[in-house]
Amino acid sequence: DQQVKQNSPSLSVQEGRISILNCDYTNSMFDYFLWYKKYPAEGPTFLISISSIKDKNEDGRFTVFLNKSAKHLSLHIVPSQPGDSAVYFCAANLPGGGNNRKLIWGLGTSLAVNP
Amino acid sequence: NAGVTQTPKFRVLKTGQSMTLLCAQDMNHEYMYWYRQDPGMGLRLIHYSVGEGTTAKGEVPDGYNVSRLKKQNFLLGLESAAPSQTSVYFCASSYGRLSGANVLTFGAGSRLTVL
Repeated sequence: DQQVKQNSPSLSVQEGRISILNCDYTNSMFDYFLWYKKYPAEGPTFLISISSIKDKNEDGRFTVFLNKSAKHLSLHIVPSQPGDSAVYFCAANLPGGGNNRKLIWGLGTSLAVNP
Repeated sequence: NAGVTQTPKFRVLKTGQSMTLLCAQDMNHEYMYWYRQDPGMGLRLIHYSVGEGTTAKGEVPDGYNVSRLKKQNFLLGLESAAPSQTSVYFCASSYGRLSGANVLTFGAGSRLTVL
């Protein structure tokens, strides 16, 4: 049973427009949510995170929104640029220490920003 | 500052051969991870370590062994390679703090093909 779901395998957006990537989760125990970006032939790189006690976090062109009642978060990229074309992974953090501290990953959404 | 370094970057094996993937991090991170990425499967955790001398199984540990003899190194071994282990392998590390987002830093990946 997948606890973190990214239901759109791919998304195509025009340069300059908004990109919205969605993520749903089932476990209310998650305390942080993270977005990673991955280019081909590279490892994922951390993009932005949000605490479960917040509903919005912004970093430049990237904003993450969290709706706890709906168990849904979204990543907004405004304006989208061709260099944003990548696979975006949503991940959720299980709290605690030692072996309890884990990231649960979605399957990713491939974003293509067209010039 | 190299971050997380994986060697080798590419390797071709014959079924039944053994090999070791090496991961080294220079950020003094406590936690280290090995993931594999396959098309349509996202990132799957193979094994991880929460400190020097410790290891634990992830989601897909069968056919792999790991060792963390030094804090900065995490080795992934394949005892008898199978075609099903053809994949891209990513090593990651993190501080593993008890609070806050558990941000992972990834290596560039190692592409393994088993014939």
